[in-house]
Amino acid sequence: EDKVVQSPLSLVVHEGDTVTLNCSYEVTNFRSLLWYKQEKKAPTFLFMLTSSGIEKKSGRLSSILDKKELFSILNITATQTGDSAVYLCAVQRQGGSEKLVFGKGTKLTVNP
Amino acid sequence: DGGITQSPKYLFRKEGQNVTLSCEQNLNHDAMYWYRQDPGQGLRLIYYSQIVNDFQKGDIAEGYSVSREKKESFPLTVTSAQKNPTAFYLCASSGGLHQPQHFGDGTRLSIL
Repeated sequence: EDKVVQSPLSLVVHEGDTVTLNCSYEVTNFRSLLWYKQEKKAPTFLFMLTSSGIEKKSGRLSSILDKKELFSILNITATQTGDSAVYLCAVQRQGGSEKLVFGKGTKLTVNP
Repeated sequence: DGGITQSPKYLFRKEGQNVTLSCEQNLNHDAMYWYRQDPGQGLRLIYYSQIVNDFQKGDIAEGYSVSREKKESFPLTVTSAQKNPTAFYLCASSGGLHQPQHFGDGTRLSIL
């Protein structure tokens, strides 16, 4: 059975701290791994990773994939209160469908 | 503006009642999805459709039904057979295998 595990499940930090969120997976016929940020409503897309070792960056956020060890990390530097959200990791399988398998998410709280 | 519109934002269901959640997109995406989100559970796939007039069951389809008569629309009916319907329902769409899924703002369904 396909599985996506995120850790930690929750995290509380102070503004300015750097955080690392983890996502490990066991998925048949891996195609890609995606990160989303969910505040109150719709998850918003952050990154899609398909190749090992290539870092993707967007401002203070960055992510990298290790297809040999089957995990990804999401880094957030110089955290701000606006980074407080649930961060979701999802994996897409190959095989003609675009279905995603989601982890349970990491709830990040950034205190001023 | 292009996007995914879900309605209503909040919905209450009486015992034995069927209710229908609306999802409309103007992104010209072929694929559409319905997810259910429960606290601490992540997102779970209910149904998905890759093309008009075709759809497949996801991981938790029991008690739900869908239709896909138009490319823009993918309504979800929560039937009386769904014994625990209280949850946050998210609709998503995707433009292709190498494109991320984008989400609507969700509908929160509760039991009266």
